[in-house]
Amino acid sequence: EVQLVDSGGGLVQPGGSLRLSCAASGFTFSDYWMSWVRQAPGKGLEWVANINPDGSGKYCVDSVKGRFTISRDNAKSSLYLQMNSLRADDTAVYYCAKYSDYCMDVWGKGTTVTVSS
Amino acid sequence: QSVLTQPPSVSGAPGQSVTISCTGSSSNIGAAFAVHWYQQLPGTAPKLLIYDNNNRPSGVPERFSGSKSGTSGSLAISGLQAEDEADYYCQSYDSSLSGSVFGGGTKLTVL
Repeated sequence: EVQLVDSGGGLVQPGGSLRLSCAASGFTFSDYWMSWVRQAPGKGLEWVANINPDGSGKYCVDSVKGRFTISRDNAKSSLYLQMNSLRADDTAVYYCAKYSDYCMDVWGKGTTVTVSS
Repeated sequence: QSVLTQPPSVSGAPGQSVTISCTGSSSNIGAAFAVHWYQQLPGTAPKLLIYDNNNRPSGVPERFSGSKSGTSGSLAISGLQAEDEADYYCQSYDSSLSGSVFGGGTKLTVL
């Protein structure tokens, strides 16, 4: 069964850092692009970042550039999102997703990030 | 303000049909990038419902169908059922942003 398990969320103060993880199973992780998508409370979905199969290509939304870094470890079938300089408007549920042919075909259950003092 | 525009809400009685529109621009849907649709049931993660404009993943009922024309896409749901009550999101790729873009979401209420 194809599965993504995201983790690492929590409560962090403004300006703080957090690292999200996503463990993949049931497919050849190293063959696929991966994505992070977030959803603020009561709001819609927002794409955050993509990474290509070997990790050499990374793309992110302007609002997180310079603060968030997407990475992966293909040996561990894991995806990461390093989030620095966190702000209140980064508060959201963060989902990792398998990205195939420009769509997110498999999603994790999400991990909640709350930025508050 | 989302790059793709959807109506905030639609509704219909059980057994009826509804359509949800998704309007983009020349840098995304109009640039021949496909439209994809996701269903998000309350309190759960999104699930891929339609990919590449009009294709259903395995397990998605035939009641769900998609189409695309010009700079817009549409999701049609026929034979509405109570379990269809959810938020629906369209998504495409935007060449000027070099990334994915979503619609603001449409809440479907089954009356």
